[in-house]
Amino acid sequence: TQLLEQSPQFLSIQEGENLTVYCNSSSVFSSLQWYRQEPGEGPVLLVTVVTGGEVKKLKRLTFQFGDARKDSSLHITAAQPGDTGLYLCAGARDDKIIFGKGTRLHILP
Amino acid sequence: NAGVTQTPKFRILKIGQSMTLQCTQDMNHNYMYWYRQDPGMGLKLIYYSVGAGITDKGEVPNGYNVSRSTTEDFPLRLELAAPSQTSVYFCASSYSFVWQGSYSYNEQFFGPGTRLTVL
Repeated sequence: TQLLEQSPQFLSIQEGENLTVYCNSSSVFSSLQWYRQEPGEGPVLLVTVVTGGEVKKLKRLTFQFGDARKDSSLHITAAQPGDTGLYLCAGARDDKIIFGKGTRLHILP
Repeated sequence: NAGVTQTPKFRILKIGQSMTLQCTQDMNHNYMYWYRQDPGMGLKLIYYSVGAGITDKGEVPNGYNVSRSTTEDFPLRLELAAPSQTSVYFCASSYSFVWQGSYSYNEQFFGPGTRLTVL
């Protein structure tokens, strides 16, 4: 059972465009994290959100945790080729962290 | 600090062979994890440990074993390699604690991965 659904699975857009990727679940999580993974490397943490409705900004990236703590979104403004990578969301539930399958993002120059 | 180190980086096994993937962290983290990542997929948790001497199964534990004799080391053992175990394996660690009844997870730090092929 996939507890965290990420959409879209793949996204290819032009440099300068805006985009949003989603992480949805029917389960409540105590916190949710977003990671970015580049080819041949392990994931690297971007942000952790813990409060329902919380919004965090990291330069051109805006992360939001749903009010009910079941879903999250990542919005990128004016995407750049350096944003290319696999974006993974991970929810903390009980004593485990569950990863989604990821959104593979490709920014075309 | 070296962070999380994994050895080897690459390995090819024949069906039925066994091997141990090594993982070491120098950040004094209490939690350690083993994940596998199949092509084009996210991460699946194999085993995790909340501290030395304590391990627990994750989502896909079959065919694997782990031990945690020290805080720093968390080796993953494959006893009878099968083609289905061809994957990239990531070890990770974090500092986590219980606060007001919920687990508070800090950042997971990942190793560089081990690419395993079973032929």
